[in-house]
Amino acid sequence: EPEVTQTPSHQVTQMGQEVILRCVPISNHLYFYWYRQILGQKVEFLVSFYNNEISEKSEIFDDQFSVERPDGSNFTLKIRSTKLEDSAMYFCASSSPGSHQPQHFGDGTRLSIL
Amino acid sequence: KQEVTQIPAALSVPEGENLVLNCSFTDSAIYNLQWFRQDPGKGLTSLLLIQSSQREQTSGRLNASLDKSSGRSTLYIAASQPGDSATYLCAVRISGGGADGLTFGKGTHLIIQP
Repeated sequence: EPEVTQTPSHQVTQMGQEVILRCVPISNHLYFYWYRQILGQKVEFLVSFYNNEISEKSEIFDDQFSVERPDGSNFTLKIRSTKLEDSAMYFCASSSPGSHQPQHFGDGTRLSIL
Repeated sequence: KQEVTQIPAALSVPEGENLVLNCSFTDSAIYNLQWFRQDPGKGLTSLLLIQSSQREQTSGRLNASLDKSSGRSTLYIAASQPGDSATYLCAVRISGGGADGLTFGKGTHLIIQP
């Protein structure tokens, strides 16, 4: 069964450094998402992406975050200047066109900011 | 702002029992509701999606119901097995826009004792 893949599985970065998290969505999906889950807390929506532009973003998704689809397969989340509070599990998801299509999630990237 | 609550936060039952997990949401104007399973250190696996016009969905031993007017959904697991041990998450989608983010509950941590 097709799946969303994320790399790396674990990323350790010094505070203030830039980090790029990578995702390969399911191939025929057109909608892409990033979520995060801080340890012990709820999964939170960050941003959605469709037709090469941001469709929706939450208040968490401020100027330090950006997303990009650099080619036909990858979808990336960049955090420009990481803070300690950015430490979390980051999940990528995708969904196919059509109403009521479920979102399918990757296994996540655990980001640890030192 | 939509809030999703899941009760109980944790549940431990012997193998073979039928059980019910509860999810409530504050704004009944949802588009659909999705139940997920999350294993430790893993991503989210979509279990069932119920459209706002539907009352229930079934997949194998799982049955999810939706009472939109009262802001409630339940996930019924029949004949529980140790392999069902995981955290179960409920998430709502607010509108029918193609790339809407999901609003999650904190989950119910389920342990099935062999």
